[in-house]
Amino acid sequence: DAGVIQSPRHEVTEMGQEVTLRCKPISGHDYLFWYRQTMMRGLELLIYFNNNVPIDDSGMPEDRFSAKMPNASFSTLKIQPSEPRDSAVYFCASSLYRGEQYFGPGTRLTVT
Amino acid sequence: AQSVSQHNHHVILSEAASLELGCNYSYGGTVNLFWYVQYPGQHLQLLLKYFSGDPLVKGIKGFEAEFIKSKFSFNLRKPSVQWSDTAEYFCAVIFGGATNKLIFGTGTLLAVQP
Repeated sequence: DAGVIQSPRHEVTEMGQEVTLRCKPISGHDYLFWYRQTMMRGLELLIYFNNNVPIDDSGMPEDRFSAKMPNASFSTLKIQPSEPRDSAVYFCASSLYRGEQYFGPGTRLTVT
Repeated sequence: AQSVSQHNHHVILSEAASLELGCNYSYGGTVNLFWYVQYPGQHLQLLLKYFSGDPLVKGIKGFEAEFIKSKFSFNLRKPSVQWSDTAEYFCAVIFGGATNKLIFGTGTLLAVQP
């Protein structure tokens, strides 16, 4: 398996623009997680899905953030409108139940 | 509240020194325990995990960790570090119950000087 795939790897956008991050989990994994990592706040869980259904979105910072998982092999994290404070590395991870999480390479987002 | 504590935020060692990074968690029930490593500019990778059985767990690259239930601890050790071990290390826990949520510690930044 190719592991967790994320795209794009880098994204630079202007404040107010919509940003969409994409993730393909490992085949067979039924859990998918979105994290955000910054120097100030460390690693934060934003949301996670089980069998394509959102289970816990308590980490989503505000209504500007939304995540979807239309099928078992694809998820998106959308920020609309984006703000400079959203600049971070966004990781996607997948796992089986109570198993280790496999992380993708991350998307480095810069909002100017 | 369920939490994971890593008391060492920044550790500096010379090559060949021994390493021990502390990890404590706040829950007396069943836990699944993990250590992840993040090399500069890279994503998190699993070093080792504990689910049950032998409380001394061996992972990749010569790392090991010991689960001490009475102390709610899962400390990471390596007898002799190398410059290539320079990275950030995260302890993480899945607490008991019907959850798959991984709670991470704040991380320990290890710098190994040649």
